[in-house]
Amino acid sequence: QKEVEQNSGPLSVPEGAIASLNCTYSDRGSQSFFWYRQYSGKSPELIMSIYSNGDKEDGRFTAQLNKASQYVSLLIRDSQPSDSATYLCAVTSGTYKYIFGTGTRLKVLA
Amino acid sequence: KAGVTQTPRYLIKTRGQQVTLSCSPISGHRSVSWYQQTPGQGLQFLFEYFSETQRNKGNFPGRFSGRQFSNSRSEMNVSTLELGDSALYLCASSLVGGASTDTQYFGPGTRLTVL
Repeated sequence: QKEVEQNSGPLSVPEGAIASLNCTYSDRGSQSFFWYRQYSGKSPELIMSIYSNGDKEDGRFTAQLNKASQYVSLLIRDSQPSDSATYLCAVTSGTYKYIFGTGTRLKVLA
Repeated sequence: KAGVTQTPRYLIKTRGQQVTLSCSPISGHRSVSWYQQTPGQGLQFLFEYFSETQRNKGNFPGRFSGRQFSNSRSEMNVSTLELGDSALYLCASSLVGGASTDTQYFGPGTRLTVL
C-alpha cells in the first residue's frame, strides 16, 4: 500500500462546476496535510494546509480532513480553465519528512 | 522576500559523469529538502537538512548525496550518472521542517537530462 494515494485522473469538470480531489494516507501519526498545485513544467505551489479535522476554506478552495478515515480532500468551487493542473497531496510522516501522492490531473473544460 | 532559488535550471550530462545542484532557501528558513520528480514515480523524497545536519533520507542509492552550509544553502551531488537519473530535481525550504505546522516552499527545480 502506498503511503499517500491519489487517483491519477484525469478528472474532467466543466467550467463553473465543483472539482473534488481526494487523497488517502496510511500513517495514522501524520499531523500536517497539504495540497499543492503543479502546472506542467513548473514546480509545486502551495494551495492549502490543514492540521485538524474538519473543513478549511480559502477563497474558492476548501480542504477537508478526516483523520479517523485517514482521508483528506480538496474542493474547488467555480472551477476555471486556469485551474487545470496536477494537484499533489502531501502529508508529514515521522520526523522531517513529507510524503507526496503522485497527483491528480484536473482538466477544466471551457 | 525572495523565494527558493535553484541553479542551474537545466543540465545535460552523459552517463558516468557527476553533477552538483545548488539550492538557496528562503531567508530565515533552516530546513532544506530535496526531491526527485519523474513522470512515473512522482515526487520522491531524497533527503532533508537542518543546521548542516542530514535528519532524514529517502530510499536512494549512495550515489545521491547532499550537504548544507552554515548559511542554510544546500547542494546535492549525484555521482556516476545513469540514464534513470534524468528527472526534475526540486528543492523545498521551510522554517524548521518536519512533522509540524511548517510549510514547504519549492524552488523552480533543476531539469537534469542524462544522455
